[in-house]
Amino acid sequence: GAVVSQHPSRVICKSGTSVKIECRSLDFQATTMFWYRQFPKQSLMLMATSNEGSKATYEQGVEKDKFLINHASLTLSTLTVTSAHPEDSSFYICSASQGAIYGYTFGSGTRLTVV
Amino acid sequence: AQSVTQPDIHITVSEGASLELRCNYSYGATPYLFWYVQSPGQGLQLLLKYFSGDTLVQGIKGFEAEFKRSQSSFNLRKPSVHWSDAAEYFCAVGGRIGATNKLIFGTGTLLAVQP
Repeated sequence: GAVVSQHPSRVICKSGTSVKIECRSLDFQATTMFWYRQFPKQSLMLMATSNEGSKATYEQGVEKDKFLINHASLTLSTLTVTSAHPEDSSFYICSASQGAIYGYTFGSGTRLTVV
Repeated sequence: AQSVTQPDIHITVSEGASLELRCNYSYGATPYLFWYVQSPGQGLQLLLKYFSGDTLVQGIKGFEAEFKRSQSSFNLRKPSVHWSDAAEYFCAVGGRIGATNKLIFGTGTLLAVQP
């Protein structure tokens, strides 16, 4: 079945530095990739949607300059948290899709801690 | 606006008892509906999905869900719960929302299983 690999699974960084999270679809070409943020004991909040070769579409309230998303190929999307601060600490999950009717496959998530 | 509501934040059932988790949605067309399960600190695993056809869908781990258009519901059921079913369950609606293909989540239901 469809597999999405997300790395790293955990990262600790210092305040003010940037962190890159990778999301790869291993056995299918993802026309659309999604990035979600999940706070403890809460639901997944969609941050942005990216289509290969296009600029990402950010949800209302998500800072595009802080959360840089690149979808350079049909199998790779990256999320860069720039100038991270402790309030950016969260669980970030990516998802990849070939189209709604094919469903959505999720990565295993990245636990970001900013100290 | 498209939305998903899971009225029950937390449910506790006894092992071996039946389970029903409620999900109501708001969507302008026939939705693509999903149920996912998440264990602590993990990504999401797809339990089942509905796109069209038979309104009773079977999923993994003995779960099933029934799509009821008249009630805008997609409730998840399991006849006999196992202790390993304790987790967070998310209902989601996917499809074209505005200009993009998106997957929107409900707030989740945390399932606890008593021995």
